[in-house]
Amino acid sequence: NAGVMQNPRHLVRRRGQEARLRCSPMKGHSHVYWYRQLPEEGLKFMVYLQKENIIDESGMPKERFSAEFPKEGPSILRIQQVVRGDSAAYFCASSPQTEGSEKLFFGSGTQLSVL
Amino acid sequence: RKEVEQDPGPFNVPEGATVAFNCTYSNSASQSFFWYRQDCRKEPKLLMSVYSSGNEDGRFTAQLNRASQYISLLIRDSKLSDSATYLCVVNGRGSTLGRLYFGRGTQLTVWP
Repeated sequence: NAGVMQNPRHLVRRRGQEARLRCSPMKGHSHVYWYRQLPEEGLKFMVYLQKENIIDESGMPKERFSAEFPKEGPSILRIQQVVRGDSAAYFCASSPQTEGSEKLFFGSGTQLSVL
Repeated sequence: RKEVEQDPGPFNVPEGATVAFNCTYSNSASQSFFWYRQDCRKEPKLLMSVYSSGNEDGRFTAQLNRASQYISLLIRDSKLSDSATYLCVVNGRGSTLGRLYFGRGTQLTVWP
């Protein structure tokens, strides 16, 4: 039973390029969360999605960042025109969202480095 | 003020020692509390939930003090494999389910 799958594990981009991070939730999970961990910081919530719906994007930067979770395929976190400050570990998590369940299962993350 | 505050450590203890970590949270409406473990910038993994009455899982004991908004984790008989960063995590009433607030983590190194 595969866990949360993220790819790529490492992504290097130059300033101004676009970064696309992918996440496939655990089998049977239809709720996806993206978190960002800056160097020496704790994880910070970015966005919560269900299939074809953004439920809470209050943690997303106002510009350049977007996320989607289409009916088919993985969830995508897209960062346009990356800057050095975007360098971080981006973790995706999923949950079964049964009533009362707030336990998240995390993927191994994508380490984004912006040159 | 940060949602969750932790002493970053590091804590360096010998095998077999008992070590305790503390954490405070700012939102008095928080309803769910957890300890996660993170190894070397890998993904966080749930260690245990924290219940109002306190709970134990093997060598690990978690306590919650709602009045003081304080959470603790006690590790008895430390093993080398316990070396990791321990993350205090809370949610809040009315918050998006799954929207968790993470502390910066407390680093633990257990030496032989």
